[in-house]
Parts: sequence; C-alpha cells; structure tokens
Amino acid sequence: NAGVTQTPKFQVLKTGQSMTLQCAQDMNHNSMYWYRQDPGMGLRLIYYSASEGTTDKGEVPNGYNVSRLNKREFSLRLESAAPSQTSVYFCASSLGRQGTEAFFGQGTRLTVV
Amino acid sequence: AQSVAQPEDQVNVAEGNPLTVKCTYSVSGNPYLFWYVQYPNRGLQFLLKYITGDNLVKGSYGFEAEFNKSQTSFHLKKPSALVSDSALYFCAVRDSESTLTFGKGTMLLVSP
Repeated sequence: NAGVTQTPKFQVLKTGQSMTLQCAQDMNHNSMYWYRQDPGMGLRLIYYSASEGTTDKGEVPNGYNVSRLNKREFSLRLESAAPSQTSVYFCASSLGRQGTEAFFGQGTRLTVV
Repeated sequence: AQSVAQPEDQVNVAEGNPLTVKCTYSVSGNPYLFWYVQYPNRGLQFLLKYITGDNLVKGSYGFEAEFNKSQTSFHLKKPSALVSDSALYFCAVRDSESTLTFGKGTMLLVSP
C-alpha cells in the first residue's frame, strides 16, 4: 500500500510565487490534515477536512487555502508565498473516529527565498 | 482547548538502559493519546495509542506507555534502549473533535 503520498518532496519558491502541494491517500480514510513542522514548534495544524466536502481552519491557516477534491485527495495552496512559510509540510489521514491514529506522508520541504 | 506538553527537549540514555520520554496533556472529556516517532527526513510513524482500558499500552518496537489519569500523563517507556531508537518522539492528544494536537517533540539520543 502506498498510504499517504505527497508531491513534491522538495520545492524552492521566490517570495510572491504560488504553488499547490498535493496529497493523496489510498486507505479510504474520511479525514485528512495538513500540518507544518518548524524547529522547536512541533507540528501545527494548518487546515483539516473531517470528511469529503468539508474543510476547517486549524491553528495556523493564514496564507493558505485547501481543497478536498474527493475522498482521496486534499491539496494545500500557497497563493503568495512568504519566507515565513519556509517549513516542512506534512499531509495526514485518518478514519476520523476519535480513537483512530493518523497516517502521515513523507513530507514536502519548502523553502521560500 | 486541548494541549500537550513534552517538558524535555532532549533525553540522553545509554544503550541497554531503560528510557522514559515524558508527556502531559490537557483536554476536556475523555482523552485519546498517541505516540509517534520521526526519523531524520521522514514522516511520522505511529507507535501506540491509549483509548480506554488498561493503563499500560504496548506498541511497536518494544515501546510501551503508561496512562495516568490523575496526573494527566502518558509517558513513553522502553525497558532496554537501542542506538536505533534515537529519533524525535511526539506525543499527541485528541478529544471529541476530529483534530490531533501534538507536543513540541523530544529528541531521544541513545549512546553506544
């Protein structure tokens, strides 16, 4: 099983450029998440989708938008990248029930110069 | 709002010795608690979880965790550490909402 697949793995953007991070899961999970990981900050939730057709803001949504394209895919878009968005981005998915664990992709390392 | 605290940025232990990585949490309602491990340049891997039942939970790679409701803690333990256990460990909590809140992480370094 592929699990959670993120593309691209690495990206360098110039300030003001836009890009979309793609995420797909093949586990028939209901919920999907986007986190960013910064040194000393742990993982912070950007946006999540509890089920197909719904999206909600997390802890740090400013500067980002998301689309739950279908049950498998959940994309994260940076409309106008800023250096503060330099980070490692992780997509995750879970069945969505309270006691179920989340499964993570391998991450996208984004640098904004 | 739910929160997780991992009070140690780094834990050092010699190979063969027992290890403990600490985690305390705050949540309204019943907690669902998780431990994840992250190796360099990799995603997070699920280790174990507490939902209900026995306070001692066993997981992958010989790890276990003890849930203590009165102390609101969920410490990760292993009886005998391996050098290959060296990694970044995250504690996480979820309540009735669908989101997972993570601690800042604890780097475990196991020396030969």
